[in-house]
Amino acid sequence: QKEVEQDPGPLSVPEGAIVSLNCTYSNSAFQYFMWYRQYSRKGPELLMYTYSSGNKEDGRFTAQVDKSSKYISLFIRDSQPSDSATYLCAMIAGANNLFFGTGTRLTVIP
Amino acid sequence: NAGVTQTPKFQVLKTGQSMTLQCAQDMNHNSMYWYRQDPGMGLRLIYYSASEGTTDKGEVPNGYNVSRLNKREFSLRLESAAPSQTSVYFCASIESYNEQFFGPGTRLTVL
Repeated sequence: QKEVEQDPGPLSVPEGAIVSLNCTYSNSAFQYFMWYRQYSRKGPELLMYTYSSGNKEDGRFTAQVDKSSKYISLFIRDSQPSDSATYLCAMIAGANNLFFGTGTRLTVIP
Repeated sequence: NAGVTQTPKFQVLKTGQSMTLQCAQDMNHNSMYWYRQDPGMGLRLIYYSASEGTTDKGEVPNGYNVSRLNKREFSLRLESAAPSQTSVYFCASIESYNEQFFGPGTRLTVL
């Protein structure tokens, strides 16, 4: 079993839709949870990080962590074509290794 | 401010050839990392360097060596390339949980 599971999609939504991206994990020691956006043929870019359980909002993006269910989500409100990218989740327990999901490919259709 | 730079952007090797992937950061970060990204596998850590002069193995170190030349530069070497090392390689400079920067990647094909 992988440490982090993420549905690869692809996911296509119309412009303006609310997007929900999710990851599950197996290691209860994970404390920090990250979301990255990766445009085609580019490096990942950190979008948000959260510590432990709860919600964090940044503009149109909301990250949610439910440690009891080992489940994290990223919501994108009012999605735009420029949001079309692959979204990666990652989490960390110790100091030096991020465990990444495989990424979900999102397309926002104008 | 260039962030993280990687060279080359693309490379094609034959099995058994060697090459070095270069990475440099201009943010004065202590920690630098090498990841590989493969379809269906996500990003996997090859090696990391927590500070100048130190390096440690990650999840998939076999077939690779690294050098932390100075605080700015962290190189990854393939001594004898194999087709299984065909991948996209990313260097990252990570100072804290909210200060992480990845390079643009090197696309490597081993024939």
